[in-house]
Amino acid sequence: GQQVMQIPQYQHVQEGEDFTTYCNSSTTLSNIQWYKQRPGGHPVFLIQLVKSGEVKKQKRLTFQFGEAKKNSSLHITATQTTDVGTYFCAGPGGNQFYFGTGTSLTVIP
Amino acid sequence: DTEVTQTPKHLVMGMTNKKSLKCEQHMGHRAMYWYKQKAKKPPELMFVYSYEKLSINESVPSRFSPECPNSSLLNLHLHALQPEDSALYLCASSQHPDGSDTGELFFGEGSRLTVL
Repeated sequence: GQQVMQIPQYQHVQEGEDFTTYCNSSTTLSNIQWYKQRPGGHPVFLIQLVKSGEVKKQKRLTFQFGEAKKNSSLHITATQTTDVGTYFCAGPGGNQFYFGTGTSLTVIP
Repeated sequence: DTEVTQTPKHLVMGMTNKKSLKCEQHMGHRAMYWYKQKAKKPPELMFVYSYEKLSINESVPSRFSPECPNSSLLNLHLHALQPEDSALYLCASSQHPDGSDTGELFFGEGSRLTVL
């Protein structure tokens, strides 16, 4: 079955440093979504990427979909304490929706 | 604020109890989902309802029984659970039932279940 892996599993950064999480799928994805889950919270949708090589920006967040549509990345510039949480990529497979393993971000003030 | 409402927020039950988790959305979404999430793990899909019909059951034990009374409501009936079933149970909805392009998933805040 489809597997969606993310690296790193955990990341600690000083406030103001950049952060990147990578998502890799074993199969080609028609689209990919990114979610953020704050500690004690629920996943919240951030963005969806559809096109090969697509790049989208949301303020300090930059999302990229690979040319082969099998990988994606989320880059945060100049992290803030409000960025703390777990970031999940998620992609469809068959009639199912698979969440990646997640990257837990800790921002040290 | 989430537009998917889940009750109760917390539930403690014994292994012989019968309880239900409830989920409601009024966005007119035609797909609704139950996910199970253990600590420090990603959400795991349990069930998918498309147009009020069960379309996916991810080999979930029969002690979990989903029900979709109408397009806005989704229930998860619990019976004879085990301690390892303790987890956060998340309900979600999406506009499109199509697994390849569901659109955004809207999650509820979850029901945190503890089985003693």
